[in-house]
Amino acid sequence: GQNIDQPTEMTATEGAIVQINCTYQTSGFNGLFWYQQHAGEAPTFLSYNVLDGLEEKGRFSSFLSRSKGYSYLLLKELQMKDSASYLCAPGGYQKVTFGTGTKLQVIP
Amino acid sequence: SQTIHQWPATLVQPVGSPLSLECTVEGTSNPNLYWYRQAAGRGLQLLFYSVGIGQISSEVPQNLSASRPQDRQFILSSKKLLLSDSGFYLCAWSPSTRRETQYFGPGTRLLVL
Repeated sequence: GQNIDQPTEMTATEGAIVQINCTYQTSGFNGLFWYQQHAGEAPTFLSYNVLDGLEEKGRFSSFLSRSKGYSYLLLKELQMKDSASYLCAPGGYQKVTFGTGTKLQVIP
Repeated sequence: SQTIHQWPATLVQPVGSPLSLECTVEGTSNPNLYWYRQAAGRGLQLLFYSVGIGQISSEVPQNLSASRPQDRQFILSSKKLLLSDSGFYLCAWSPSTRRETQYFGPGTRLLVL
């Protein structure tokens, strides 16, 4: 089975940096996805980590430690439009399991 | 480029009525297709996935069914809706060569009354 743990809610200030942690226990793990979901909208793909380490993509970076079952998403220079839910999703063969997500609120 | 369509965008149905939600993908061939449901304040629950025409895998036993009559068409159906079927239904596709990266359609918001 799959078990995914990430904080339910976080609040951060515009212009700041925030780190959203995720731990997972899964079988058949191939890599880990992060998705962004604005309220009432479909999730959109942010990142996919297969190997251990940090991958940077603009203001967003994602880190993976396979041995620890741990990942984080790092958001820099926060903007108001970053207010959304961030879904941690370990992927296996043909399937991805989504966590319940972390609802991030960016305040002025 | 690839696009994914879902309709309708919003649907209000009485309990016991049938359901048919449609999803189509353009710009790719032989995609993997997925149906998810997201209840209010809950995570995404995988309902069905398909790796080819007529091939459907069910993840959760329920009163829903799925069909894939064409390569890029995925249909979610029910003969009799329950109140608990209310939610946000999302269709997703992934390239057959990179099966895990999934791209979502705009979703259908279903309210069963």
